[in-house]
Amino acid sequence: QSVITQTPSASGTPGQRVTITCSGSSANIGGFYVYWFQVFPRTAPRLLIFGNHQRPSGVSDRFSGSKSGTSASLAISGLRSEDEADYYCAVWDDRLSAYVFGTGTKVIVL
Amino acid sequence: QVQLVQSGAEVKKPGASVNVSCQTSGYSFTRHYLHWVRQAPGQGLEWLGRINPNTGATEYSQKFRGRVTMATDTSINTAYMELHSLTSDDTAMYFCAGGLDFAYWGQGTPVTVSS
Repeated sequence: QSVITQTPSASGTPGQRVTITCSGSSANIGGFYVYWFQVFPRTAPRLLIFGNHQRPSGVSDRFSGSKSGTSASLAISGLRSEDEADYYCAVWDDRLSAYVFGTGTKVIVL
Repeated sequence: QVQLVQSGAEVKKPGASVNVSCQTSGYSFTRHYLHWVRQAPGQGLEWLGRINPNTGATEYSQKFRGRVTMATDTSINTAYMELHSLTSDDTAMYFCAGGLDFAYWGQGTPVTVSS
């Protein structure tokens, strides 16, 4: 089990806004940059957010990241069917001296 | 363009070792850490460790320390990950990730451990 917890699933209808949250501690989210990844079955993860809120070039501005204290969030606005995937946060953990991934959130587009 | 091309699927017996390679191109290989991440069937992402291609320094997840070895060959911009003493729990898709901030990923190498 991960030291970073995520809600197992989140859902919304097309056009809605969905928010996913990662909860951690001062050893990880509270002190280090958070990353967010999108994962489709049997494919490589895709970096969506780095540095808590920065988007790589090519990532839609419908994806936005934020951090407050020991929690971080990923918001998907204008939800589309192609957003249906698993989403993971990741962050360095100072106690473990390792990167840790969240438990993952499945986003379902109704 | 940036490419990380991993070696092909592996089937191993319990107790064996597996070596996965990750050939990179299109970015400065020695400037950024190269990470290894895996995903077991139906499970989440798991970080195995990282290597600094410039210095060869490694940092391994405590879970895999003593059982994983990471290396690079900067002459051919390629990284390697060897996992020893395999068990069925090591059956997973293994990914390499390079570039700044996990920007670029390999296509994945499926490893199956079965007697």
